[in-house]
Amino acid sequence: DIQMTQSPSSLSASVGDRVTITCRASQSISVYLNWYQQKPGKAPRLLIYAASSLQSGVPSRFSGSGSGTDFTLTISSLQPEDFATYYCQQSYTAPPRTFGPGTKVDIK
Amino acid sequence: QVHLQESGPGLVKPSGTLSLTCAVSGGSISSNNWWSWVRQPPGKGLEWIGEIYHGGGTRYNPSLKSRVTMSVDKSKNLFSLNLTSVTAADTAVYYCARQDNRGQSDYWGQGTLVTVSS
Repeated sequence: DIQMTQSPSSLSASVGDRVTITCRASQSISVYLNWYQQKPGKAPRLLIYAASSLQSGVPSRFSGSGSGTDFTLTISSLQPEDFATYYCQQSYTAPPRTFGPGTKVDIK
Repeated sequence: QVHLQESGPGLVKPSGTLSLTCAVSGGSISSNNWWSWVRQPPGKGLEWIGEIYHGGGTRYNPSLKSRVTMSVDKSKNLFSLNLTSVTAADTAVYYCARQDNRGQSDYWGQGTLVTVSS
C-alpha cells in the first residue's frame, strides 16, 4: 500500500496569513493527488484534484502543486471560513486510495 | 447536480452486519464513474473502504476485504455496503461518494453515524 503523510499535523494561523500544508507519498504517485477540506460535522469537500487542478466553485486562494512524492496545498490569504481540517489522498492506485492523517488549521 | 444520500441502521450489535445504501439522484449510477465508501471514526481521520463500478467491478481496502461486500442496484440508482462481523472499532460516520476520472471524490453524501454496541 502507498502510505501518505502530512505536515504539520496542526497549525495556528491568523486571517490573511499564507498557509502551506505538505503531503508526502511513500512512492511516486505522479500527479494523482487530491486535497479535501472538512469542517466539523460535515462531509469532506474536494478542493484540488490531480495535484494542481482547482475543483469548480473553489476559491482561487487555494492552490496545489507537486508531483512524484511531494505535494503542497497553499492558501494564499486565510479566510475565516478556511479554518478546518485538510486531507490529502492518493488516487494513483487502488486499492486502497489512501488518505493522509489530516492537518487541522485553527485560529491563532 | 449530483446528490448522494446514505441510509441504514444507526445501531448494529457486535458480530452483526452493517448494511448501508447510498441513493444517487441528479445523475445515473451507470455513468462512467466509480462509487465509493469512506468512513471516519469519531475524532479520527478518513479511511477509504472501497469502490464499485456499475458493471459490478469492485476494489476493497485490503484491511477490510474479508468483511466487505459492495453491490449496485441499477433499477433503483443506488449502491450498497455490507460489513460483516462488526466490532466497536467499526463505529464511525460512513460516507458514500462519487469518483471522477482522476479518482477524486467530487460528490459526497452527508454521512451517517453507525454505532456498534450491544
